[in-house]
Amino acid sequence: RKEVEQDPGPFNVPEGATVAFNCTYSNSASQSFFWYRQDCRKEPKLLMSVYSSGNEDGRFTAQLNRASQYISLLIRDSKLSDSATYLCVVTDSGGYQKVTFGTGTKLQVIP
Amino acid sequence: DGGITQSPKYLFRKEGQNVTLSCEQNLNHDAMYWYRQDPGQGLRLIYYSQIVNDFQKGDIAEGYSVSREKKESFPLTVTSAQKNPTAFYLCASGGTSSGYNSPLHFGNGTRLTVT
Repeated sequence: RKEVEQDPGPFNVPEGATVAFNCTYSNSASQSFFWYRQDCRKEPKLLMSVYSSGNEDGRFTAQLNRASQYISLLIRDSKLSDSATYLCVVTDSGGYQKVTFGTGTKLQVIP
Repeated sequence: DGGITQSPKYLFRKEGQNVTLSCEQNLNHDAMYWYRQDPGQGLRLIYYSQIVNDFQKGDIAEGYSVSREKKESFPLTVTSAQKNPTAFYLCASGGTSSGYNSPLHFGNGTRLTVT
């Protein structure tokens, strides 16, 4: 089983739609969780951190379920500019900040 | 402004030549990382460094070398031993605070083409 798993997609959705991505992780001791966005041929950029209580930033909502070991990202009212690959990132404690990236879920928002 | 700077953005080399990619950060982060990304693929860890003068191999370290003589700098050398060096190389840095791991910050990347 991969340490961090995501559905690669692509998810093709119309403008204005709501879309949700899930990500599962294997290490129950994982500490911190993040969603990154990566545009084609660019570096990943932090979209939002994911907190145990869930958190929202505008049209984006992130949830963490430690019992089931998954995190989710919900995008409401999709815009064309949301088209990108969304990376799930999990960090563990230990001698260094072990960071594991999912392979990403591709989103294409269609006019 | 604080950030991570990678240079050059594009690099072309002939097969058999070593090449060094630069990565500098002024975020005062302790940890620095090098990742490789191939088209349509995820990020794979090459090397990481937690403190100055210390670094560890990641998942795909063969054919690469690094140094960490200064906190701000973590250059990556792609040697002639790397069989498929053409890729997008990303440098990142991160620190810890308040007992929680802070997110990584990435440079703009270097796109290396070896022919």
